[in-house]
Amino acid sequence: DQQVKQNSPSLSVQEGRISILNCDYTNSMFDYFLWYKKYPAEGPTFLISISSIKDKNEDGRFTVFLNKSAKHLSLHIVPSQPGDSAVYFCAASANAGGTSYGKLTFGQGTILTVHP
Amino acid sequence: NAGVMQNPRHLVRRRGQEARLRCSPMKGHSHVYWYRQLPEEGLKFMVYLQKENIIDESGMPKERFSAEFPKEGPSILRIQQVVRGDSAAYFCASSRDDRPGGEQYFGPGTRLTVT
Repeated sequence: DQQVKQNSPSLSVQEGRISILNCDYTNSMFDYFLWYKKYPAEGPTFLISISSIKDKNEDGRFTVFLNKSAKHLSLHIVPSQPGDSAVYFCAASANAGGTSYGKLTFGQGTILTVHP
Repeated sequence: NAGVMQNPRHLVRRRGQEARLRCSPMKGHSHVYWYRQLPEEGLKFMVYLQKENIIDESGMPKERFSAEFPKEGPSILRIQQVVRGDSAAYFCASSRDDRPGGEQYFGPGTRLTVT
């Protein structure tokens, strides 16, 4: 039961261009969404998040868009840099009966390669 | 300001042995989460603990796995009688609180190999 899906296992982009990573979810109880970046042999690093009451959140080169009706979110990286090459995970959390947001549900990840 | 620390980074166990994975959260963080990543998959939630309390263990296998976060010392994930299917990367994360959308900071992970 994959509640968060990243259907593209990999993405290759030229340096300076836009990278668009996509994520779909099925659980309508999710109300916070996060993107994490992961290098090999390291733990995930938080990038950006968005609440379900918003449709866009921007932080520097990173922008996350949320389409609640489509249960879809995307991460845009502009301009892409070779150092952005990593695995990107989409994650979601839900208010579990109003008690906690502790549990994150992750997608399978997308490997982004940015070529110089 | 040290981040989340996990040890050991690599652990090799024979089938039937016990594995103990340790996690020290960031300073000032009292919420700890354990996740498991199987090869070619995303991270799967296992358990969420606060000091001396298990808040959500919905992702923990019912047998052989246990977790604790004592008043003093690191959080421990314990796997008894390991099997080959337990081979995975185990990540610990911590947060200051559990507010909506709150960021979880991850450790480097422990890579468990069962031979």
